[in-house]
Amino acid sequence: EAGVVQSPRYKIIEKKQPVAFWCNPISGHNTLYWYRQNLGQGPELLIRYENEEAVDDSQLPKDRFSAERLKGVDSTLKIQPAELGDSAVYLCASSSRKGVWYQETQYFGPGTRLLVL
Amino acid sequence: DQQVKQNSPSLSVQEGRISILNCDYTNSMFDYFLWYKKYPAEGPTFLISISSIKDKNEDGRFTVFLNKSAKHLSLHIVPSQPGDSAVYFCAAGGEETSGSRLTFGEGTQLTVNP
Repeated sequence: EAGVVQSPRYKIIEKKQPVAFWCNPISGHNTLYWYRQNLGQGPELLIRYENEEAVDDSQLPKDRFSAERLKGVDSTLKIQPAELGDSAVYLCASSSRKGVWYQETQYFGPGTRLLVL
Repeated sequence: DQQVKQNSPSLSVQEGRISILNCDYTNSMFDYFLWYKKYPAEGPTFLISISSIKDKNEDGRFTVFLNKSAKHLSLHIVPSQPGDSAVYFCAAGGEETSGSRLTFGEGTQLTVNP
């Protein structure tokens, strides 16, 4: 079974430029997460989707970040315009609901490492 | 406000010995705890979990202990193997704390020396 696929793996851009990350979750997983991991820190949730619906986006900086999950499968996370402080690893994860939330093991992709110059 | 904290950024142990990784939390509403392992250039992978109704969960060489009164959990790996060298994150969540949102600690780099 294929894991969570993310692209690109690395991205270097200049500040004020736009950037987009793509995620394809594990087949059949209805829940999709985007996390940001700063250097030396643990992942922090940006947004969580249940199928096409964003059910938790309270930590997404909506002035410059946007996300979509059309058709409830793959997802795109966009930053426009990027700032120096956005340099981080952006992780996508997916899970399949089995009842209670803590039974949903989150499977992570390899991440996209973003460097903003 | 760091609700989940791993105070040791790194730990080095000899192969065959026990590795003990520690994690403290502040939010008493957390009722489920997980450990993830991360190799370089890969995403975190789930390792083991424990709910607040238990104080111990064991899976092969990995055991997680939970001390609710101290708001502390630990991961024991015994015997440690060189392949266990990775960054270990603890994470916590609860139905009362924004549903399935996990809060991660900063991670501990474990190095197991042959």
